[in-house]
Amino acid sequence: DAKTTQPTSMDCAEGRAANLPCNHSTISGNEYVYWYRQIHSQGPQYIIHGLKNNETNEMASLIITEDRKSSTLILPHATLRDTAVYYCIVRPRNTGTASKLTFGTGTRLQVTL
Amino acid sequence: GAVVSQHPSWVICKSGTSVKIECRSLDFQATTMFWYRQFPKQSLMLMATSNEGSKATYEQGVEKDKFLINHASLTLSTLTVTSAHPEDSSFYICSASYSTNYGYTFGSGTRLTVV
Repeated sequence: DAKTTQPTSMDCAEGRAANLPCNHSTISGNEYVYWYRQIHSQGPQYIIHGLKNNETNEMASLIITEDRKSSTLILPHATLRDTAVYYCIVRPRNTGTASKLTFGTGTRLQVTL
Repeated sequence: GAVVSQHPSWVICKSGTSVKIECRSLDFQATTMFWYRQFPKQSLMLMATSNEGSKATYEQGVEKDKFLINHASLTLSTLTVTSAHPEDSSFYICSASYSTNYGYTFGSGTRLTVV
């Protein structure tokens, strides 16, 4: 699976948009980009995933560059409850439910008043 | 939908005893489940892949005789930490995928403290 690189930590003011970058320069054409987050002492929570088109759901937006070598997770109006570690993960498509997820170090997002 | 329930949420045990952690998929069948371990301020590390009806696949460096995994049904996988020692104290998390190309769902984790 392709390796991902994320900043170690970021701060964001409450109410502002949080933009979390991820570099995955070795991604291959059959690999999805997934984003998860982990709030302290809880299991990871799925946020969003995409292949090459930008995606949006009720939680966030995912912007993937045209060359697919990087992506940005956008939380449009961050709240204190969005404080968590955010993980960007690359996983091959069509590998069934037996394909494991490998977590990197993630970005620790701190949302402040 | 797609909920994974993990039990217990926390456990304290004496050194040398064994502890069993359960992971259940509540509204879907999971032929494969995954067990992770997370130490403080570190990322999740995959320990093993649990396969229904067959032996688990362990990641390099994980002692299979110490971390026993049983996946006897399509909705239940268990992790037993045998002869636990203080260095086994950690946050253990299970997960399963409910769709071929969709996300994975995770249990809420079990915090194990060995004293």
